[in-house]
Amino acid sequence: ETGVTQSPTHLIKTRGQQVTLRCSSQSGHNTVSWYQQALGQGPQFIFQYYREEKNGRGNFPPRFSGLQFPNYSSELNVNALELDDSALYLCASSLLPSSYEQYFGPGTRLTVT
Amino acid sequence: KQEVTQIPAALSVPEGENLVLNCSFTDSAIYNLQWFRQDPGKGLTSLLLIQSSQREQTSGRLNASLDKSSGRSTLYIAASQPGDSATYLCAVSPTNAGGTSYGKLTFGQGTILTVHP
Repeated sequence: ETGVTQSPTHLIKTRGQQVTLRCSSQSGHNTVSWYQQALGQGPQFIFQYYREEKNGRGNFPPRFSGLQFPNYSSELNVNALELDDSALYLCASSLLPSSYEQYFGPGTRLTVT
Repeated sequence: KQEVTQIPAALSVPEGENLVLNCSFTDSAIYNLQWFRQDPGKGLTSLLLIQSSQREQTSGRLNASLDKSSGRSTLYIAASQPGDSATYLCAVSPTNAGGTSYGKLTFGQGTILTVHP
């Protein structure tokens, strides 16, 4: 059973650019959630995808968007990057509705300069 | 709006001590509560998940309790070791109108634990 993987590990972008982060869910899981964790803070929920459909969204602007693919992997896209977007981006997978326990990947550290 | 608070923000203890980390939440309509461990710059490792109908869960030296009525959870770590040094996060998942959950987690800010030899 493979765990949750994320790519890339680290990324440096310039303000105004666009970025795509990727997540492969744990084998057998159908749900992916994305979180943003600023330094010294707890993670904040961005959105969730369940069987390729968006299943909830947190308080993030529309320039944060995502996709889930038929194999349940997922992408997080952020347009018009701002300095405050610098954070650790975490994805988590789970198997709804039978289990709500979420398993997190190692994260992608995004730095916006 | 659900708010989760963790106390203390940081804790430093000598090896071998038993310790308690606290988590409180404002909305008792939760589906479950999950405790995580996070090492510096790393992802989250799930430690324990407590369903709203349960009162506690145990795994090895860890015991987590849940009191929905008071909006509190505690994580008890027995016989602490230097390897336990990490940030501990609690997170709650709300119950939706259908009585289940979307699994969206609301996190506290974490407790930074240092166990020194």
